[in-house]
Amino acid sequence: QQQVKQSPQSLIVQKGGISIINCAYENTAFDYFPWYQQFPGKGPALLIAIRPDVSEKKEGRFTISFNKSAKQFSLHIMDSQPGDSATYFCACMNTNAGKSTFGDGTTLTVKP
Amino acid sequence: DVKVTQSSRYLVKRTGEKVFLECVQDMDHENMFWYRQDPGLGLRLIYFSYDVKMKEKGDIPEGYSVSREKKERFSLILESASTNQTSMYLCASTGWSNQPQHFGDGTRLSIL
Repeated sequence: QQQVKQSPQSLIVQKGGISIINCAYENTAFDYFPWYQQFPGKGPALLIAIRPDVSEKKEGRFTISFNKSAKQFSLHIMDSQPGDSATYFCACMNTNAGKSTFGDGTTLTVKP
Repeated sequence: DVKVTQSSRYLVKRTGEKVFLECVQDMDHENMFWYRQDPGLGLRLIYFSYDVKMKEKGDIPEGYSVSREKKERFSLILESASTNQTSMYLCASTGWSNQPQHFGDGTRLSIL
């Protein structure tokens, strides 16, 4: 049973375009939703995160949209740059249990 | 900045060997985690620990054990390594259960 479904598996975007990655979850106990960015040879690093009491959070070119009723959230990267090429993971945290469940990851390639 | 250090970047071992992967964090974090990362499967939780000498099984604990004798150090042990344990292993820590995790850069383990 896959608790967190992430799509697409891979994504190719032209420089300046918008990259969109989606995640859906099932467990209503999840109450914190971070996105991580991972470059080759490095561990994942926190990019942006949202709590379910807000529907959107923006930090620079990165925005999370959150739909609590649909149990879905997405990462939008505006004005995508070649330096954004990386693997992106969504995560769902149950802060009471102290654990995170991760999506399978999306490999983003931004072409110059 | 939080630093999570994994002792080896690359490790090659033989089938049946006992393997130790070490992880140290420098921020006095209570919670520490071990994941394995495989292509297309995201990050899967092996074990986690929320205090010294405490441990909890994650989603895929079979074939692994852990040790946390000091707060800053969390060790993953492969009791008798098998080829299906060839993978990237990531350690993470967090101070509170409602905070995102900080990851090390991983140990790429090959079992021959």
